[in-house]
Amino acid sequence: DAGVIQSPRHEVTEMGQEVTLRCKPISGHDYLFWYRQTMMRGLELLIYFNNNVPIDDSGMPEDRFSAKMPNASFSTLKIQPSEPRDSAVYFCASSLIWQGAQNYGYTFGSGTRLTVV
Amino acid sequence: AQSVTQPDIHITVSEGASLELRCNYSYGATPYLFWYVQSPGQGLQLLLKYFSGDTLVQGIKGFEAEFKRSQSSFNLRKPSVHWSDAAEYFCAVGQPNAGGTSYGKLTFGQGTILTVHP
Repeated sequence: DAGVIQSPRHEVTEMGQEVTLRCKPISGHDYLFWYRQTMMRGLELLIYFNNNVPIDDSGMPEDRFSAKMPNASFSTLKIQPSEPRDSAVYFCASSLIWQGAQNYGYTFGSGTRLTVV
Repeated sequence: AQSVTQPDIHITVSEGASLELRCNYSYGATPYLFWYVQSPGQGLQLLLKYFSGDTLVQGIKGFEAEFKRSQSSFNLRKPSVHWSDAAEYFCAVGQPNAGGTSYGKLTFGQGTILTVHP
């Protein structure tokens, strides 16, 4: 298995532009999470999905952020318009639903480093 | 709400020395506890996890952690550190849903950066 795949690895964009981050979870995993990591705030959960349905989006900072999961193998996180304070590393993670404790644990992608100038 | 505290932001040890990274959690029931490691430019990798049973759990790369309910702690240990262990380490707690059938969300600590001197 190739693991959780995120693209792009790096993104530099100008303030006000739309940014789309992409994630392909591990096949068969039915939870998908989007995290943001910054030096100041550490790892923040933005939103997570179960079976493609958003379960908790309370961590999405504002209406400029939106996330979708149109099918079990793809998710996007969109920022429109982007601002310099959105600069961070964005991680996607997937997990198998708990069918026994041994199955639980996230697998993280390598992240997308976003820089908004 | 659950929370995780890693009291040490940065720890420096010499190669070959023992290591203990601290983690304290706040949660009203039996937690699911995890340690992850993040190397520079990489995502987080699961080191080990505790759900129930034996309070001393073994993980990958020679790491172990001990769950102490009385102290609300889940400290990570390694008897002899290697230079390749230099990374950032995150403790996390999972909260079961009302039915106990799934554990969707993990809450992470702020992380501890480990530096290893030769």
